[in-house]
Amino acid sequence: AQKITQTQPGMFVQEKEAVTLDCTYDTSDPSYGLFWYKQPSSGEMIFLIYQGSYDQQNATEGRYSLNFQKARKSANLVISASQLGDSAMYFCAMREDGGYSTLTFGKGTMLLVSP
Amino acid sequence: NAGVTQTPKFQVLKTGQSMTLQCAQDMNHEYMSWYRQDPGMGLRLIHYSVGAGITDQGEVPNGYNVSRSTTEDFPLRLLSAAPSQTSVYFCASSYSTRSTGELFFGEGSRLTVL
Repeated sequence: AQKITQTQPGMFVQEKEAVTLDCTYDTSDPSYGLFWYKQPSSGEMIFLIYQGSYDQQNATEGRYSLNFQKARKSANLVISASQLGDSAMYFCAMREDGGYSTLTFGKGTMLLVSP
Repeated sequence: NAGVTQTPKFQVLKTGQSMTLQCAQDMNHEYMSWYRQDPGMGLRLIHYSVGAGITDQGEVPNGYNVSRSTTEDFPLRLLSAAPSQTSVYFCASSYSTRSTGELFFGEGSRLTVL
């Protein structure tokens, strides 16, 4: 079974609107971290936001927030006030504390922001 | 402020040739890893290391070798390249071996095997 599932291959949003990118995960480890990365067309991987499994509040970083619903095992990324520069591939990833905690990625969602 | 440095950025190989992708980090990170990225597949873990002298296999280790003789360096070796190894390769490191540490990525190395 996939550990990270991103069901939206592509998303379109207009500039200045908010958009939600979906991510569900599967783990039996009580201690884990959830991450979102952005990959623009230039190819580099940019860390956006982190949520720990024991964190009581949803993580926020500027225009990015993580809608963490632990019971549903979902960790959706919300981008407020989209900008043209937000057009990129977005990856959800998880790192578990059991064993040596490697980072497992979803297949990504391509976001296109239109003027 | 170098971070994670990968070389080369681009490489073309013929089937059966060998090569090494170099990865170096200057952040004194214990955890280092190699991923490959293929269209529609996300990033898949090849090998990782939790410290000098300690390496382990990830999801797709076949055809690749690694070693970790120093904290700074984590080279990835292709002993006999195959067209299926055409991909973009990323090296990444983390200060933590636990779930709280984000990974810092290199810029990627695009490899084509003919």
